[in-house]
Amino acid sequence: GAGVSQTPSNKVTEKGKYVELRCDPISGHTALYWYRQSLGQGPEFLIYFQGTGAADDSGLPNDRFFAVRPEGSVSTLKIQRTERGDSAVYLCASSSRQGETDTQYFGPGTRLTVL
Amino acid sequence: SQKIEQNSEALNIQEGKTATLTCNYTNYSPAYLQWYRQDPGRGPVFLLLIRENEKEKRKERLKVTFDTTLKQSLFHITASQPADSATYLCAVRGGDDKIIFGKGTRLHILP
Repeated sequence: GAGVSQTPSNKVTEKGKYVELRCDPISGHTALYWYRQSLGQGPEFLIYFQGTGAADDSGLPNDRFFAVRPEGSVSTLKIQRTERGDSAVYLCASSSRQGETDTQYFGPGTRLTVL
Repeated sequence: SQKIEQNSEALNIQEGKTATLTCNYTNYSPAYLQWYRQDPGRGPVFLLLIRENEKEKRKERLKVTFDTTLKQSLFHITASQPADSATYLCAVRGGDDKIIFGKGTRLHILP
């Protein structure tokens, strides 16, 4: 497909469980971002990859959150020991980072509900 | 830390009128500012980017201004239509390379 895809679209889990959220960026985009969006709020930065490496992970709220991008394309956001406060829409965006601007192309998001 | 403020109240505009949304930022001088549109259940979609040395940018019925003295951007939709109803997000790139989004303003165009 031409756009950013995310799977699953919805994930319901129980408190304490482990979840993985997947992001497939636009082919050729070197930059990949993860955001978390709660109702009525703007996207909140979590982590940014340039290629395979995490260029900035300062937005990850705690060590239960981890993200990988082993081959510089698909990325997985992993959340351990989920808590009810983790419930939100998790958005992924990719960018070609050409020149000095950074137009981001977002996926539809994964809605995570922790019961 | 960098902070972005957008009208938290929803904005109701009569169809055909111009809608104006405000974005104010503090504690930083961004090289550029972006506007995105977000519909319910979807990710944000990029609309326009304006650089610090540009006063105004236009795209069809959209116009963005950027006042670096006031630390403010205005987003205008002229001849508004019900299909323009959505949440509009303002974003800047901080000095630490992160993109920071405002909370967004919900716009309702009333037929």
